Amino acid sequence: QQQVKQSPQSLIVQKGGISIINCAYENTAFDYFPWYQQFPGKGPALLIAIRPDVSEKKEGRFTISFNKSAKQFSLHIMDSQPGDSATYFCAASHSGGYQKVTFGTGTKLQVIP
Amino acid sequence: GAVVSQHPSWVICKSGTSVKIECRSLDFQATTMFWYRQFPKQSLMLMATSNEGSKATYEQGVEKDKFLINHASLTLSTLTVTSAHPEDSSFYICSFRGTSQETQYFGPGTRLLVL
Repeated sequence: QQQVKQSPQSLIVQKGGISIINCAYENTAFDYFPWYQQFPGKGPALLIAIRPDVSEKKEGRFTISFNKSAKQFSLHIMDSQPGDSATYFCAASHSGGYQKVTFGTGTKLQVIP
Repeated sequence: GAVVSQHPSWVICKSGTSVKIECRSLDFQATTMFWYRQFPKQSLMLMATSNEGSKATYEQGVEKDKFLINHASLTLSTLTVTSAHPEDSSFYICSFRGTSQETQYFGPGTRLLVL
């Protein structure tokens, strides 16, 4: 069962543009929503994360928008750069048990000059 | 964030042999470890969870006798793929978690190719 759905599967954005990746979750027990960036052949690295008590979080060029009632959240990358080209995973976890992270399906972002 | 290392970074082995992957936290002590598997162009799939000194809890569909996990200390965990077969070829990633959801760190991954 895919508990975190992510779209689009791939995305091409011009340098300076805005990249938008969307995710939806099913489990209302999730209370922590991180985004990870992964370069080929490397492990995922935490980019930014949000909890459901806020609707938006911004760190530099990266912003998470969160809609608790719709059970959706999205990542916006402003002023996208070629160095942002990577695969992005949304994820979710809940504070009970082992707090294991469930990953979305991933979005391969390519920023073209 | 914390530094997590994996060794080896890549390994090629013959079918039927066993391979051990080591995961170390260099500056962080973690009570919980996770092992993930990632096939090409796919997401990370959780294989198992372990607490230091306890037996690992495996996800549905993951063979515990094939993927042996040893969480020997707060900074070291190993994954042994026993009697490896070509379908076990994948990218294996470990992760340490501290006291909160915000303190989870991933290793750089180990590429396994079984011939």
